[in-house]
Formats: sequence, structure tokens, C-alpha cells
Amino acid sequence: KQEVTQIPAALSVPEGENLVLNCSFTDSAIYNLQWFRQDPGKGLTSLLLIQSSQREQTSGRLNASLDKSSGRSTLYIAASQPGDSATYLCANTGFQKLVFGTGTRLLVSP
Amino acid sequence: GAGVSQSPRYKVAKRGQDVALRCDPISGHVSLFWYQQALGQGPEFLTYFQNEAQLDKSGLPSDRFFAERPEGSVSTLKIQRTQQEDSAVYLCASSLGGSRGYTFGSGTRLTVV
Repeated sequence: KQEVTQIPAALSVPEGENLVLNCSFTDSAIYNLQWFRQDPGKGLTSLLLIQSSQREQTSGRLNASLDKSSGRSTLYIAASQPGDSATYLCANTGFQKLVFGTGTRLLVSP
Repeated sequence: GAGVSQSPRYKVAKRGQDVALRCDPISGHVSLFWYQQALGQGPEFLTYFQNEAQLDKSGLPSDRFFAERPEGSVSTLKIQRTQQEDSAVYLCASSLGGSRGYTFGSGTRLTVV
């Protein structure tokens, strides 16, 4: 069974810091890799999708990379802001369904 | 619509009551998924439809859970004889399929008392 681990489980940083969130899979047979953001009491908002033939994607201050050989992905957030505070989830699309990690809870303090 | 719509937004059910949760996916999205998210956990897969066909229901926790998508668009997740352990957020997602990524709704928060 595919398992997804996200490290750290929680992170608290002052505003302006650059930070890295990590995601790893027990099965390196990754199809697509998608990063989501979830605000308290809300659904999931898609941030970045890395398709199987790609190695990274960028959107604004966010950059996600994927190393299929090691089954790892990282989400880099540049110049963090208080509005970035949320839970960040990575998911491997596997075959037809998403397998999620438990997420990293990020708090950015002003 | 522009996004995935779920209703109701919140549902409180008495133990033993039946509930029905609705998902209206993005128009034209072939694939539809239901997930269950317990407090502090990542979403867990429940079931998957491609058009009206339910191709995978391996994640449904018991035979009290039933999902349908009769016309290949709107889907309903039904939970019979609700139990306290059914309390969770139920998320619906849709996709064009293939490598196009997934769009989630805001979820239905079910509380069984």
C-alpha cells in the first residue's frame, strides 16, 4: 500500500523566511504529484501539479520539484507571508486516485 | 459551474440517522472522487466514478456507505445508520482525467451526535 510521509508535521516561522516542505512516498512509481493548500474548515486548493514527465513547477513564490527515482517531492516557499499560514498536503495520483500525506501545518508570524 | 459544489456545507445527524451528501462536479469532468478527512488527518479515498460507472469503491469503510452517480454528473454519497466514527469532512473532487489534476469542493462537515 502506498504511504506518503510529510516532514515536518508542523512549522512556525517569522514572516519573510524561505522554507521547504518535504514529501516522500514508499512506492516510487509516481504518476503525477500534486500539492494542495487547506485552510482551517475549508476544502483543498490546488497549488501545483507536476506531471509524470516533468521535474518541477513554479507559480509565483512557490516552486515544487519531483524526484521520481527517490520518491520525493519538495515545496519551496519564498519570502513567506502570514497569509501562507495553512496546512500543505502533497498527493500522489498513483492510479486513478490520490494518496495523501497527513500534511504540514505552517504558521507564519508577522 | 466554475468549481466543485458540495451540499450541505454542514450536517448534524443523530446516531442511527441516514444522511445524503451531494456533489456537483465541474461540467464535463469525467472523473469524480469522494474522500473522507478525519480531524488532523489527510483525506482518505472512499470511491471513484468514471462517468456513471463506479470503478473503485475499495475505500468505503462499511456497507453502510453507498455512492451513486446515475447520469454521470451529480453524485450522492449516502451513509445509513450513522455512527459517531462517521464524523468527518467529506470531500468531493473532479477531474478531466489523465494527467489533468484534481479540483476539490469545500466539503461537507458531518457531525454525528
